[in-house]
Amino acid sequence: DAMVIQNPRYQVTQFGKPVTLSCSQTLNHNVMYWYQQKSSQAPKLLFHYYDKDFNNEADTPDNFQSRRPNTSFCFLDIRSPGLGDAAMYLCATSREDGQPQHFGDGTRLSIL
Amino acid sequence: DQQVKQNSPSLSVQEGRISILNCDYTNSMFDYFLWYKKYPAEGPTFLISISSIKDKNEDGRFTVFLNKSAKHLSLHIVPSQPGDSAVYFCAAKGGNTPLVFGKGTRLSVIA
Repeated sequence: DAMVIQNPRYQVTQFGKPVTLSCSQTLNHNVMYWYQQKSSQAPKLLFHYYDKDFNNEADTPDNFQSRRPNTSFCFLDIRSPGLGDAAMYLCATSREDGQPQHFGDGTRLSIL
Repeated sequence: DQQVKQNSPSLSVQEGRISILNCDYTNSMFDYFLWYKKYPAEGPTFLISISSIKDKNEDGRFTVFLNKSAKHLSLHIVPSQPGDSAVYFCAAKGGNTPLVFGKGTRLSVIA
């Protein structure tokens, strides 16, 4: 089945220790998104790639970076995680920007 | 400032009855609206959408109504089933704005 896969499902890291979350898709969609969702809050867009074009949201902290080495994979790098970065991180794809997005099941990040 | 508001954090409905989930928005540039459904430990799943050129879109048991003058949309589920129990997110987009989500409403359908 075509899908969006996020690994790992649960990630624990230490305060200040870099961490990378990964997302892969078999849908061959042009656009890939990363969202941060904290408890009882709306998913918040961090950035997205249209093909290789990177689009950063204005209020996304510099601590968050992303890489898309090819169509299928996209990574979220948190350079120095703080306690406030503990959240669910959702990856999504869409064929074109503005079309319905297909989400992965998320990675729950905990910071010790 | 929240541009998409779902003012009811939770809703309980009896099986077989109608569920009505509401969503309000503030940005008049929004012209495309979506509902997503999320089960625990899973990502959101696209449910239904509506463009601002329409005021109603129906897909099986799910109907979305859009009232542009009131900047309000609603999702009707009829009849409600226990499997509909989930968190429902309203989302909106317009122009170059990214998709903006509401905080979600948790629907519980009681058998």
